[in-house]
Amino acid sequence: AIQMTQSPSSLSASVGDRVTITCRASQDIRNDLGWYQQKPGKAPKLLIYAASSLQSGVPSRFSGSGSGTDFTLTISSLQPDDFATYHCLQDYNYPYTFGQGTKLEIK
Amino acid sequence: QVQLVESGGGVVQPGRSLRLSCAASGFTLSSYAMHWVRQAPGKGLEWVAVISYDGSKKYYADSVKGRFTVSRDNSKNTLYLQMNSLRTEDTAVYYCARDRVTMGIGEVDYWGQGTLVTVSS
Repeated sequence: AIQMTQSPSSLSASVGDRVTITCRASQDIRNDLGWYQQKPGKAPKLLIYAASSLQSGVPSRFSGSGSGTDFTLTISSLQPDDFATYHCLQDYNYPYTFGQGTKLEIK
Repeated sequence: QVQLVESGGGVVQPGRSLRLSCAASGFTLSSYAMHWVRQAPGKGLEWVAVISYDGSKKYYADSVKGRFTVSRDNSKNTLYLQMNSLRTEDTAVYYCARDRVTMGIGEVDYWGQGTLVTVSS
């Protein structure tokens, strides 16, 4: 199975900060990667698909980039609603695999 | 709007079976592949299984292969996960989720709110 290594595992930041989260795949997955936001006790929400495409309704401060093995999720200016856990998911082949998650906390 | 409602969770002893259901509404279930994803308490997400829009293709995580079976009844707008030979490590919230594209298998898009399965003696 493809291993997805996500970093950092946790991150403290302030409102207005620019934040970057990284996912690295153990093999080439083209651009078959999605990013999800999850708040406590809630289901995840798709933010980015195909590595860089913004899901409908998601604010433009979220962006994704990368292809092959290295991917990033960037939040350009953190808002109070953005403090959550973020997950990457490769859908290149089966079994799909998630990164271990990044918890974004308020500094 | 898209709604996915899971049911069937509960407490079950190791080695026993449980069947989860996911009722879909607000979209044409027969056009979409559907996934199951789980999350153990305090842990990350683990993809469990997917079934194609017509039920002809099914894929599983290695951790559940041979024990879990995904199925669907498009006429009832319902997705199922039959879980046999349950282990304590299967304890998790189980989410059903819709694929993003029609007639294919791709990213996981809409999610239900989940149902908790606890495997304990």
